Amino acid sequence: DTGVSQDPRHKITKRGQNVTFRCDPISEHNRLYWYRQTLGQGPEFLTYFQNEAQLEKSRLLSNRFSAERPKGSFSTLEIQRTEQGDSAMYLCASSLRRDSNVLTFGAGSRLTVL
Amino acid sequence: AQSVTQLGSHVSVSEGALVLLRCNYSSSVPPYLFWYVQYPNQGLQLLLKYTSAATLVKGINGFEAEFKKSETSFHLTKPSAHMSDAAEYFCAVSYNNDMRFGAGTRLTVKP
Repeated sequence: DTGVSQDPRHKITKRGQNVTFRCDPISEHNRLYWYRQTLGQGPEFLTYFQNEAQLEKSRLLSNRFSAERPKGSFSTLEIQRTEQGDSAMYLCASSLRRDSNVLTFGAGSRLTVL
Repeated sequence: AQSVTQLGSHVSVSEGALVLLRCNYSSSVPPYLFWYVQYPNQGLQLLLKYTSAATLVKGINGFEAEFKKSETSFHLTKPSAHMSDAAEYFCAVSYNNDMRFGAGTRLTVKP
């Protein structure tokens, strides 16, 4: 097990385009989280899944954002009609339900919207 | 609502000097508290966590933190800084799956 994997590591796109990020959590972890981190700030919670169920969504997650975890394994985060303000690092983390306060983070996917 | 405040966005120490990174929390319930470290172009790595057991928590790489309820603090310390400690450090508070991070403190270690 190589930890939490995220792909791509860096995405540059033009405003208005759609982008999708993928996260592969640690295999035995049933909880998966998405965070957004902008320059000079700590990570901000976006959403989390327990298995395939999306249990919580932050108000930061506008209707242009959608996350899925169809089979309770990998997850995707899609941003439609990207805006320059979406430029950030998107972090994925996973945890075990019984130790849900300990998150293991991936290296992140950096989005740059031109 | 719970939150953490990290005092000082940048801290610079000399190699071999004491490292002290400050974190104060706000929580209406007994909190779980964490310190994470982030190296350039990498994800966050857990340094240590407080989960209501011993108030002095030892972590990886020689770091430790002390939970002080009376001061609502959870400061991170290391007796002797090493060049490899240069990174961004985040304090976090968690309750019921809701983890909130501070803005981070960038540690610079001078030779």
